[in-house]
Amino acid sequence: DIQMTQSPSSLSASIGDRVTITCQASQDISNYLNWYQQKAGKAPKLLIYDASNLETGVPSRFGGSGSGTHFTFTISSLQAEDTATYYCQHYDSVALFTFGPGTKVDFK
Amino acid sequence: EVQLVQSGAEMKKPGESLKISCKGSGYDFNTHWIAWVRQMPGKGLECLGIIYPRDSDTTYSPPFQGRVSFSADKSISTAYLHLSSLGASDTAMYFCARRGLCRGGSCLDFWGQGTLVIVSS
Repeated sequence: DIQMTQSPSSLSASIGDRVTITCQASQDISNYLNWYQQKAGKAPKLLIYDASNLETGVPSRFGGSGSGTHFTFTISSLQAEDTATYYCQHYDSVALFTFGPGTKVDFK
Repeated sequence: EVQLVQSGAEMKKPGESLKISCKGSGYDFNTHWIAWVRQMPGKGLECLGIIYPRDSDTTYSPPFQGRVSFSADKSISTAYLHLSSLGASDTAMYFCARRGLCRGGSCLDFWGQGTLVIVSS
């Protein structure tokens, strides 16, 4: 099974800060990697698909990069409404949708 | 507008069974896989499996094989998650989500609002 790890597990930042989250896959997954935002009490929302593509309607301060086993999710300038938990996710035909453990982002 | 609307919260006793519904609208429900995702209290996201509404082709995630089942009624654009012999460990939020049009269909692009299930005696 492919395992997904994320770091950090949580972070605190200030409005306007650049925030970076990393996701590591246990084996090469090409660019089959997506990022979701989940606000408290809400369903997850797809932000980035195929490692670096911004989903329609998602603000451009969100971005993603990487391929193979190492991926990065970035918020270029943190806004108040970005408080949430962020998950990376990979798909394969056996385990189906596998999510990372999540990174909780809040404010200092 | 694509929407997935799930049935309401449920309170069940141990040993009981449960069926959660997920109704799609705003797109051709028959041509997109639906995934079911569990989130236990304070925990992360776990995929239970997927179902293709057109023919009810189903794949279960290995940890959940035999513990859950899915069905679909394409005439009313609705997918169902069936849980039986409920235990306290089934207490969770359950989400349905549409398998998206990203590369290889590897993303979940629209989600239901979630159905909270509480199992308690």
